[in-house]
Amino acid sequence: SQTIHQWPATLVQPVGSPLSLECTVEGTSNPNLYWYRQAAGRGLQLLFYSVGIGQISSEVPQNLSASRPQDRQFILSSKKLLLSDSGFYLCAWSSVVHYEQYFGPGTRLTVT
Amino acid sequence: AQKVTQAQTEISVVEKEDVTLDCVYETRDTTYYLFWYKQPPSGELVFLIRRNSFDEQNEISGRYSWNFQKSTSSFNFTITASQVVDSAVYFCALRTPVSSNTGKLIFGQGTTLQVKP
Repeated sequence: SQTIHQWPATLVQPVGSPLSLECTVEGTSNPNLYWYRQAAGRGLQLLFYSVGIGQISSEVPQNLSASRPQDRQFILSSKKLLLSDSGFYLCAWSSVVHYEQYFGPGTRLTVT
Repeated sequence: AQKVTQAQTEISVVEKEDVTLDCVYETRDTTYYLFWYKQPPSGELVFLIRRNSFDEQNEISGRYSWNFQKSTSSFNFTITASQVVDSAVYFCALRTPVSSNTGKLIFGQGTTLQVKP
């Protein structure tokens, strides 16, 4: 069966500090991968998606970036965090077989 | 343009009441998929159901049922005899052939359901 992991679960970072959130998927090959952000009490905002290693598409211009160094690894980064980067970050995967997306447990980021 | 509308921002019911969450979608495609997700207070989105546009049969899973009506572009979700554990944010989503390679979903804004004991 497939599983998706995200870490860390919670993170408190000062403004201007770097960020690295990691997401890994097990039990499937060549998944599509996604990063979402959810502000408090708001809906889901798609930030990045990837259909393969090294292939990243950005949905919203911002100071965040994403990378996919391995088939089942997706990393969300920032060189300098802003207060507005606070939120709940969710990673998800889908495949040609699974039309739905499956989500990880999320990372709650607070920028102070 | 593709769009999903969940007009109900928040719903509050008392335990054992039935509740229906509305979802209206827009697409010009004849082939598409609709989904419902549940986001409990822990935060993780849990996949509940997928429905393709060619299957208009209603589905029932325990206390959950889904009513898909292409004529009104709606995919409503009913919880029968609600329980406190049903308290969560529920999202409806749409996938169209445009996103066949990327698998991108278009999400509604979500409906927060509070079930009071």
